[in-house]
Amino acid sequence: DAMVIQNPRYQVTQFGKPVTLSCSQTLNHNVMYWYQQKSSQAPKLLFHYYDKDFNNEADTPDNFQSRRPNTSFCFLDIRSPGLGDAAMYLCATSLEGRGTAEAFFGQGTRLTVV
Amino acid sequence: AQSVAQPEDQVNVAEGNPLTVKCTYSVSGNPYLFWYVQYPNRGLQFLLKYITGDNLVKGSYGFEAEFNKSQTSFHLKKPSALVSDSALYFCAVRVMNRDDKIIFGKGTRLHILP
Repeated sequence: DAMVIQNPRYQVTQFGKPVTLSCSQTLNHNVMYWYQQKSSQAPKLLFHYYDKDFNNEADTPDNFQSRRPNTSFCFLDIRSPGLGDAAMYLCATSLEGRGTAEAFFGQGTRLTVV
Repeated sequence: AQSVAQPEDQVNVAEGNPLTVKCTYSVSGNPYLFWYVQYPNRGLQFLLKYITGDNLVKGSYGFEAEFNKSQTSFHLKKPSALVSDSALYFCAVRVMNRDDKIIFGKGTRLHILP
């Protein structure tokens, strides 16, 4: 089945040690999003790609970076994780302009910082 | 600026009773409105959407939502609640322009009491 896959589901990293979370999709959607969600709060948009165009939210810390090498893959890099970066990270995709407007989410990666 | 408000942090409903989860929005332009459900340690699952047309939209698991333009509301409803409906529900809005962001409300936790 076409879907959005996030790896790993659970990630433990050390304080200050760079970590990368990955997302892949088989939907061929042109928009990909990264959200941060803490403690059952609303998902907070970090950035999104519209095709190859990168759109960073104004309040996303510089510590967070992203790469989208092709349509199918998108990565979230946290350069120096702090304890406050522990959260669920959600990847989502959507197709703009074709009448299908909802976003499809992966299962998320829960990041723990020790 | 786009925003979505879910005025209730928690809604408690007895099993078998009708349920309503409230959502209001503020956007410029035509809104695309969505409801998502989230179970513990999982990603968000799409329930239903309003794009255009009939103000009453039907979605997954017996849920429906009514779009009210004059009140800028999009309340989620179900005629008869099940215990398995207990989860976290998010209302979201997307404006289909080049910026193309999906913004979520803070979420409403729904408890269905047996």
